Amino acid sequence: GAGVSQSPSNKVTEKGKDVELRCDPISGHTALYWYRQSLGQGLEFLIYFQGNSAPDKSGLPSDRFSAERTGGSVSTLTIQRTQQEDSAVYLCASSSSTGRPPSSEKLFFGSGTQLSVL
Amino acid sequence: TQLLEQSPQFLSIQEGENLTVYCNSSSVFSSLQWYRQEPGEGPVLLVTVVTGGEVKKLKRLTFQFGDARKDSSLHITAAQPGDTGLYLCAGASNDYKLSFGAGTTVTVRA
Repeated sequence: GAGVSQSPSNKVTEKGKDVELRCDPISGHTALYWYRQSLGQGLEFLIYFQGNSAPDKSGLPSDRFSAERTGGSVSTLTIQRTQQEDSAVYLCASSSSTGRPPSSEKLFFGSGTQLSVL
Repeated sequence: TQLLEQSPQFLSIQEGENLTVYCNSSSVFSSLQWYRQEPGEGPVLLVTVVTGGEVKKLKRLTFQFGDARKDSSLHITAAQPGDTGLYLCAGASNDYKLSFGAGTTVTVRA
C-alpha cells in the first residue's frame, strides 16, 4: 500500500482479555517498529524488527506483550490479559533501513490503534 | 524520566505571531528529528539534523541542532492555523530506536 496501515483503528476491550493489533508496513520496508503513546507522554519504544527478526525487544513492558512479523511484511502485536494501564495509542512505523543505526533514517508511521481497556 | 525534555508543553498563539519550541537532553545524539502529529494520525517527519550547530529551514520553520548535539529548537515565523499540532523531537543514538520527547502542543488561533 501507499502508507503504513494499522488495524483496528479503535479497540475497546475488557480487562483480562487478549488483543491483537496489526500493522501492514510500506511495501519493501525491511525495518518495522512498534511504539506506544500515552496521553502527555512521548512515544515509548516497544520493539524493532529487521525482516522477520527482532534484534531489540527491550521496550516490551512485560511478558504479556509479544510481537511477531511474518514474510518480512505484516506484524502483529499481541497483548495478553490486558490491564487498564495498557490503554494507549499503539503506533507502528516502517523504514527502508537495512539495519544500520538510525542516524538519519526516515520513519513512516501509521495512524495507530487506540486501545481502551475497561 | 524522559530522555528528551520538550518545552513548553502547551503553546497557544495568535495567527501571525512567532513561536519557539525547545528540545533538551543531557545525552548526545548522532542526529535529531522533528515530527508533527495531528489528532488521529501518526507523526510525520519534518526534518533531520545531523551536524552540531546545523540550521535547516523549511519555509517558515527553522530548525537548529545545538553545537554539542544535545539540544535542538524549532522556530516558526508568522504562524498559521495550519501549523497547529503536536510537535515531537526524537533523538537517535547508536542503536535502532529513536527516543522521543513528550511533545509540545501548538495551537494557532485565527
